[in-house]
Amino acid sequence: GQNIDQPTEMTATEGAIVQINCTYQTSGFNGLFWYQQHAGEAPTFLSYNVLDGLEEKGRFSSFLSRSKGYSYLLLKELQMKDSASYLCAVRDSNYQLIWGAGTKLIIKP
Amino acid sequence: ETGVTQTPRHLVMGMTNKKSLKCEQHLGHNAMYWYKQSAKKPLELMFVYSLEERVENNSVPSRFSPECPNSSHLFLHLHTLQPEDSALYLCASSQGGQDSGNTIYFGEGSWLTVV
Repeated sequence: GQNIDQPTEMTATEGAIVQINCTYQTSGFNGLFWYQQHAGEAPTFLSYNVLDGLEEKGRFSSFLSRSKGYSYLLLKELQMKDSASYLCAVRDSNYQLIWGAGTKLIIKP
Repeated sequence: ETGVTQTPRHLVMGMTNKKSLKCEQHLGHNAMYWYKQSAKKPLELMFVYSLEERVENNSVPSRFSPECPNSSHLFLHLHTLQPEDSALYLCASSQGGQDSGNTIYFGEGSWLTVV
């Protein structure tokens, strides 16, 4: 079967750096997405990786290793507003999106 | 504001009621989706419409009935639901269907409680 694994919950301190990991086993690979979802709000698109390597967007970076079936989302200079759930999703060979259950990130002052 | 608007945001209904969820997208997209989001579970794709034609129905019970009158509007009609159907229902849209590889944009969801 197809599976996306990410930690259920993580805690980090304001101003620090946190890395949220995502591992996947899917039928083929056509890209990996990260979304941010604040409580009670819409998931919003953060990043897309289809080739190996690091994609940087301001305080957020996303890394992909296709050979290892692994990605991470790196958040720097954490702010209280970064408290949210982070969803990892992989597009398989049939272009179906396979979703992880999300990682709830708690930022403490 | 994501460009995808859902109403109502909250709905409580009895198991014998009939209600509908509404979604409208202002992004000019031609594909729309319904997802179910339950606590601590992955998003579950329910239905996909591309160019107003249903292209996917992931073994969803018939008590959920989608309707897509045009490329900007999507409804989910609800009838004789069960308590386990209580969840957040997310509407989404994209330019091109899932095989386009384009990013999906979500609405804020409709919280459904079945009592």
